[in-house]
Amino acid sequence: RKEVEQDPGPFNVPEGATVAFNCTYSNSASQSFFWYRQDCRKEPKLLMSVYSSGNEDGRFTAQLNRASQYISLLIRDSKLSDSATYLCVVNRDTGRRALTFGSGTRLQVQP
Amino acid sequence: GAVVSQHPSRVICKSGTSVKIECRSLDFQATTMFWYRQFPKQSLMLMATSNEGSKATYEQGVEKDKFLINHASLTLSTLTVTSAHPEDSSFYICSARPAGGLGDTQYFGPGTRLTVL
Repeated sequence: RKEVEQDPGPFNVPEGATVAFNCTYSNSASQSFFWYRQDCRKEPKLLMSVYSSGNEDGRFTAQLNRASQYISLLIRDSKLSDSATYLCVVNRDTGRRALTFGSGTRLQVQP
Repeated sequence: GAVVSQHPSRVICKSGTSVKIECRSLDFQATTMFWYRQFPKQSLMLMATSNEGSKATYEQGVEKDKFLINHASLTLSTLTVTSAHPEDSSFYICSARPAGGLGDTQYFGPGTRLTVL
């Protein structure tokens, strides 16, 4: 079983749509959770951290369910510029703080 | 914001040659840098954790004699792919964690695309 699992997609949605991505992780000791965005052939960029209470940043809402080891990302009012691969990321351990990446969910927002 | 650079951005080399990739934190000091590899349509896979002034910690299955890591200063880590072969062709990305930084924030370099012929 992969440490971080995501639906690879692609999710093809029209502009203005709301889209949700889910992710599960296997290491119950993970303490930090993130969503990164990666454009084609580029490095990943931090989109937002994910907190237990859930958090929102503009059109983006992240939720964490520790009991189910499940993380979600909701994007409202999708823009063309949101087209990218969204990576679910958890920390590997509290010592080295290395990150474990999911394989990503591809989003294509269409006009 | 924090900036991490990588050099070169792209390299094409013949099989059997060695390639050195540099990762620099430009405006902060990083006691820890991480090296990742990403094959097409796959996730980033951690190769090793690079600690300034000490030996790198390699992930299982990553050959330390093939992927040499040197973290000689608080702003520079290098990855040398020795005797590169076509199967080493990949996107190599480094990240740096600021010294004294809170949480797990890491800043990623733009990546180096290696093609071994």
